[in-house]
Amino acid sequence: GAGVSQSPSNKVTEKGKDVELRCDPISGHTALYWYRQSLGQGLEFLIYFQGNSAPDKSGLPSDRFSAERTGGSVSTLTIQRTQQEDSAVYLCASSPDRPSGNTIYFGEGSWLTVV
Amino acid sequence: GENVEQHPSTLSVQEGDSAVIKCTYSDSASNYFPWYKQELGKGPQLIIDIRSNVGEKKDQRIAVTLNKTAKHFSLHITETQPEDSAVYFCAATYNFNKFYFGSGTKLNVKP
Repeated sequence: GAGVSQSPSNKVTEKGKDVELRCDPISGHTALYWYRQSLGQGLEFLIYFQGNSAPDKSGLPSDRFSAERTGGSVSTLTIQRTQQEDSAVYLCASSPDRPSGNTIYFGEGSWLTVV
Repeated sequence: GENVEQHPSTLSVQEGDSAVIKCTYSDSASNYFPWYKQELGKGPQLIIDIRSNVGEKKDQRIAVTLNKTAKHFSLHITETQPEDSAVYFCAATYNFNKFYFGSGTKLNVKP
């Protein structure tokens, strides 16, 4: 596709439920990132995938958060037993092969509200 | 790890004036510094970037300067227009694995 595609664009869920957020990166991009943006705040790194390498999960805030990337393309961020503090915009980004040093391109985000 | 600080958090200018947003970083190994513009309800969009081997880069009304010694870089917008109103984020990275972002500057250009 032309850009990074994320779904759903908006999600309202009840506290305690699990949610899945999907990211479809730009075609051919090998690197994929998830960031979280709380209301009026900056961007918080969550996880990074690069090709077939083990992902960098150092930004995941708790073991309720997990992410996978199947076939080196689409990624799913899963939040289990959601809490109100999980309410935020979850942004996915992708970039071409890292060794050449390229910037990252963001999707429109998935707005999550936990009630 | 890297720490990026951004100032000011809000900036209000009159249309036609210039706007300057400043960022500092802590890790001298950082070598790539992009700037993103985020409009309401949208994802951040790259507007300009600079690498550590360059001191200044300009693209029409937008310019970025980098001072490696002082570890700071700045975004300059000249002849501001109402459509420049948005939140601007600076970022730094040294390995393109993680991009460390500033806390954002909300720019308001008054017509």
